Amino acid sequence: QVQLVQSGAEVKKPGASVKVSCKASGYTFTNYYIHWVRQAPGQGLEWMGIINPTSGSTSYTQKFQDRISITRDTSSSTVYMELSSLRSEDRALYYCARGTTLVPFYYDLWGQGTLVTVSS
Amino acid sequence: DVQMTQSPSSLSASIGDRVTITCRASQTISAHLNWYQQKPGKAPKLLIYVASTLQSGVPSRFSGSGSGTDFTLTISSLQPEDFATYYCQQSYRNPPTFGPGTKVDLK
Repeated sequence: QVQLVQSGAEVKKPGASVKVSCKASGYTFTNYYIHWVRQAPGQGLEWMGIINPTSGSTSYTQKFQDRISITRDTSSSTVYMELSSLRSEDRALYYCARGTTLVPFYYDLWGQGTLVTVSS
Repeated sequence: DVQMTQSPSSLSASIGDRVTITCRASQTISAHLNWYQQKPGKAPKLLIYVASTLQSGVPSRFSGSGSGTDFTLTISSLQPEDFATYYCQQSYRNPPTFGPGTKVDLK
């Protein structure tokens, strides 16, 4: 079955880091890019960054540039998104999404989302 | 960044209604425009890509059109399972950006 399965909900204190995983299955992991998109409660969708699973190269939106790291483990077809220096505004659902490598690209497969709560 | 706007922000409609949602980009994005449907508690689902191509498995009552800066998503005959929030997304320039969403609910 073609799917992206994310790790479970996290509760973190302000200033801490969170690492969310996204495991791909049912397709060739290196044939698609993985993007991370977040959604604050009741809000819209915000793109955070992308990784090329083949090369490991990444690109991040400027807003998160200093706090985000996206990595991958090709042996387990898993992508990780780590966000540091968490603040209350980072409380959101974090999604990984599969993006086509060709342009124009689109997200044809999404993980189920991981809720990150930041609370003291 | 390319700013995406959608109108209306919400609408109420009845089963069988024809529904049209508009998406506008702050600069030309060719046809690099995708539409997603999101239901409460669920991840977004791809409906239309490259402005007008229907994703496999998506009912033909959904259609998309437009190019440049103005795009539309049309549901020809609204069904009960179509009540959801709809987002447009451009993939022409980095970073990819989404519209704020249009919530479709029952009149």
